[in-house]
Amino acid sequence: DQQVKQNSPSLSVQEGRISILNCDYTNSMFDYFLWYKKYPAEGPTFLISISSIKDKNEDGRFTVFLNKSAKHLSLHIVPSQPGDSAVYFCAAKETSGSRLTFGEGTQLTVNP
Amino acid sequence: DADVTQTPRNRITKTGKRIMLECSQTKGHDRMYWYRQDPGLGLRLIYYSFDVKDINKGEISDGYSVSRQAQAKFSLSLESAIPNQTALYFCATSVGGDLGRETQYFGPGTRLLVL
Repeated sequence: DQQVKQNSPSLSVQEGRISILNCDYTNSMFDYFLWYKKYPAEGPTFLISISSIKDKNEDGRFTVFLNKSAKHLSLHIVPSQPGDSAVYFCAAKETSGSRLTFGEGTQLTVNP
Repeated sequence: DADVTQTPRNRITKTGKRIMLECSQTKGHDRMYWYRQDPGLGLRLIYYSFDVKDINKGEISDGYSVSRQAQAKFSLSLESAIPNQTALYFCATSVGGDLGRETQYFGPGTRLLVL
């Protein structure tokens, strides 16, 4: 039972354009969401998070949107840069709990 | 220096062998985790520990055991390795509190191949 799903295994965009990565979840108890970025031969690194009391959180070029009614979140990267090419993981947890549940990951490729 | 280190970084072993993966952290975090990553499956939690005397099973603990030797060290053992344990293994740390809105910090990973 995959509680966090990233339905697009890969995404390719042109440098300077917007990248939109999507994530859906099924567990209505999840109330804290994170995005991680992973380069080859490295561990995942934290990118941005959002609490369910918000519907948007912005940090520089990165913005995460949360639609609780649709159980959907998205990560927007504007403008996309070649250095953003990596695997992006969506993760979710209940703040009353102890575990992160990860999606499958989306490979983003930003072409120069 | 890296805050979360894992040794070895790569390991090839044979079916039936015992193997230990080690994780050390200098972040001073109380919580530590072991995950495995398989293609198309994301990261799945194997075990986690909230302090030296606390060990908890994750979603895929069968075939694995752990030891929290100190606050800074958390080891993962495969008692009798099998080929479907071939994966990328990550250690992570976090600090409790902040109303459950904690961030986990990951090590560089150990790539394990079981023949």
